[in-house]
This record gives sequence, structure tokens and C-alpha cells, in this order.
Amino acid sequence: AQTVTQSQPEMSVQEAETVTLSCTYDTSENNYYLFWYKQPPSRQMILVIRQEAYKQQNATENRFSVNFQKAAKSFSLKISDSQLGDTAMYFCAFSLNFGNEKLTFGTGTRLTIIP
Amino acid sequence: KAGVTQTPRYLIKTRGQQVTLSCSPISGHRSVSWYQQTPGQGLQFLFEYFSETQRNKGNFPGRFSGRQFSNSRSEMNVSTLELGDSALYLCASSLWGRDKSSAGYTFGSGTRLTVV
Repeated sequence: AQTVTQSQPEMSVQEAETVTLSCTYDTSENNYYLFWYKQPPSRQMILVIRQEAYKQQNATENRFSVNFQKAAKSFSLKISDSQLGDTAMYFCAFSLNFGNEKLTFGTGTRLTIIP
Repeated sequence: KAGVTQTPRYLIKTRGQQVTLSCSPISGHRSVSWYQQTPGQGLQFLFEYFSETQRNKGNFPGRFSGRQFSNSRSEMNVSTLELGDSALYLCASSLWGRDKSSAGYTFGSGTRLTVV
């Protein structure tokens, strides 16, 4: 079974600064997907960024980037130039490839951007 | 393009009753998954449907059931409600296929169920 661990329950950072959220996972599979989801007070889970395990290049989406270390089973999210709208719960999630699309989530990190 | 729609947004039920929640996926998405979110247990996978068939099921009692219709809309049902069933129930839809680029999930805003 796969597990996902987020060791930072809460974090806060000043607006415009950079923050990194940590995530580690455990799997014996070689092909899989990793995701970061954001859940603001509106409750909707919003996909922030996705990484395919077979790709060595780290994914980036505007101000969001990941540091994917496959051997270490680590998948951290870096948010640059943080904005007030980034305040939310952030969940790291894992999904196997080839038809098994169940998501396994970490416990989340509550991120607060301070004006 | 319309997102994933979940109805109702809020629901209050009495212990012992049953409840049905609805999820309309993004047009063209054939896979629908359900998750339960609670402060204590976090996000837990309930089940997933694809083309009206349940493909995966999480570790929940038989009181939790679901179905998917030919238009991909899905419902989940919880019978004999317990206080511990109070949670946010999230639905996610996705494309599915051997194309790796199809892996992705779009969530609805959830149904907040309170059992009293």
C-alpha cells in the first residue's frame, strides 16, 4: 500500500516570500503520479501541479515548482512570490499509473500568507 | 466548460436515516471517484466508477454505496447514518485511458453532511 506523509501541519510566510512544503511517500511501484492540491475555504480541491514519476525534469506552473527526488521518495512544492490568495490547505497526493486512479492523500499543510 | 457539480452543498440528517449525494462530472469525463474528508481521518477514498461499473473500493462499510448512470453522473448513498459519518464528501472526475496525459482529477466543492 502507498502512503503519503506531510510533516508540516502549519506554515506561515510573509507575502512575496518563497515557501517550500514538504512531502514524502512510500511505494514499491516504479510508475506513478504525484500531485499537489490546494483547498481554500471554498472547499474545492484545486490541482496546483502534477509530476509523472518517469519524468526526471521537475514540473513547474508559473510560481509553483516541485523538487522531485525519486530515489529519496520526496516531492516538495515551492511557491515563489507568495500571494494572499495562496492561503489554503495544501495536500500532497499519489496515484498509480495504468488504470488505478485512486488518490492517496497526505494529511495536509495549512499555509497562511501574512500581508 | 462546466466543472464538477455536487448537490446539495449542505445536508443535515438524523442518525439512522439514509442520504443520497449527487455528482455531475465534467462533460466527457467517464471516471467518477468519491472521497470522505474529516478532521480526524483526513481524505479517504470511498469508491470509483467508470462506465457505470465500480472499479475500485476503499475500506468503508457496506452502508456506503454508489452508482453511476449512463451519462456518467454518479450518486453515493449512505444508509443508517452514524454520527461519525459527518464529513465533507468530495467527488472527482477524470479522463481515463492508457494515455499518460489523461491522469488528472477535477474536484467538486463537496457536500457537507452533518449527522445529528
